Amino acid sequence: RKEVEQDPGPFNVPEGATVAFNCTYSNSASQSFFWYRQDCRKEPKLLMSVYSSGNEDGRFTAQLNRASQYISLLIRDSKLSDSATYLCVVSPDEKLTFGTGTRLTIIP
Amino acid sequence: GAVVSQHPSRVICKSGTSVKIECRSLDFQATTMFWYRQFPKQSLMLMATSNEGSKATYEQGVEKDKFLINHASLTLSTLTVTSAHPEDSSFYICSAISLQGPSYEQYFGPGTRLTVT
Repeated sequence: RKEVEQDPGPFNVPEGATVAFNCTYSNSASQSFFWYRQDCRKEPKLLMSVYSSGNEDGRFTAQLNRASQYISLLIRDSKLSDSATYLCVVSPDEKLTFGTGTRLTIIP
Repeated sequence: GAVVSQHPSRVICKSGTSVKIECRSLDFQATTMFWYRQFPKQSLMLMATSNEGSKATYEQGVEKDKFLINHASLTLSTLTVTSAHPEDSSFYICSAISLQGPSYEQYFGPGTRLTVT
């Protein structure tokens, strides 16, 4: 079983729609959780950290369910520039474990 | 924000040769740097953790004699792929943790695309 599992997609979503991604992780000792985005052939960039209480950053909302060991990301009012691969990342310490990513394409 | 550079950005080499990739933190000192490898349509896989002045810690399945890591200063780590083979062709990305910043925040370099012919 992979340490971090994500639906690889692709998700093709019309502009303005809301889209949600989920991710599950196997290491119950994980302490930190993140969503990164990665554009084609580029390095990953931190989108947001994920906290147990849930957190929001503009159009992006992240949720963490420790009991079920899953993390979610919600994108509202999607923009063309949101097209990317979204990587779920968990960390028991300073090391990061990446999911394979979910490919999102926003369609005009 | 903190900037990490990698050089070269792209390299093509012949099978059997060695390739050195540099990772530099440009505006901060890095206690720890990490080296990742990403094959097409796959996740980033951590290869090794590099601490300044000490030996790197390699992840299971990563050959330390093949992937030589040197972390000579707080701003520079190098990864040398020795006796490269076509199956080593991949996207190599480094990241760094700032001395001053939170330990969980890694700053990624732009990556080096290695093609071994």
